[in-house]
Amino acid sequence: QSVLTQPPSVSAAPGQKVTISCSGSSSNIGNNYVSWYQQLPGTAPKLLIYENNKRPSGIPDRFSGSKSGTSATLGITGLQTGDEADYYCGTWDSSLSAGQGVFGGGTKLTVL
Amino acid sequence: EVQLVQSGAEVKKPGESLKISCKGSGYSFTDYWIGWVRQMPGKGLEWMGIIYPHDSDTRYRPSFQGQVTISADKSINTAYLQWSSLRASDTAMYYCVRRYCTSTSCSFDPWGQGTLVTVSS
Repeated sequence: QSVLTQPPSVSAAPGQKVTISCSGSSSNIGNNYVSWYQQLPGTAPKLLIYENNKRPSGIPDRFSGSKSGTSATLGITGLQTGDEADYYCGTWDSSLSAGQGVFGGGTKLTVL
Repeated sequence: EVQLVQSGAEVKKPGESLKISCKGSGYSFTDYWIGWVRQMPGKGLEWMGIIYPHDSDTRYRPSFQGQVTISADKSINTAYLQWSSLRASDTAMYYCVRRYCTSTSCSFDPWGQGTLVTVSS
């Protein structure tokens, strides 16, 4: 069972918008920045959003992030078939021994 | 280009030992922590532990303590994940990842391409 909670799946039509939630606690999301990772089929995860809402170079502004309290949200607008992937939220957890990384269980995005 | 390159896929028998590697390039390897992440078939990402190559300070997630050993050789910019006695349940993809920190926050970037470990009799 993952430390952070995400919905197992979301779906939407091309061109539409979707949001993915990530719920945690005060020891992780509540006191640390959240990042999001995209894992396309058969590939390694890739950083999509860092510091709650910042995009690395090369990530289109269709992707956005936000955080409030102990929850975070990833938003994707103008959905494309190429966005079909698994999305993971991640952060640091200060409650585990000397601090450890934690991830959500992942959300599979289907673009219908 | 900052990158982590992992060793190739492995097929092992239960009880055998294994050491996989992760070589960093394009940045100062000793300045950033390197983490290891397990992804079992069809499942999500699980944090295993992390090492600081500068002094080999290592922290394990409790559920992996004693099950694996994380090490690093800073002279060749390489981190390792090893098992002394593999089990079928160790079958998974293993990723290394750099914990990248700015003055304000940390994230996990970049990721290695992954090493598939298959344990089967």
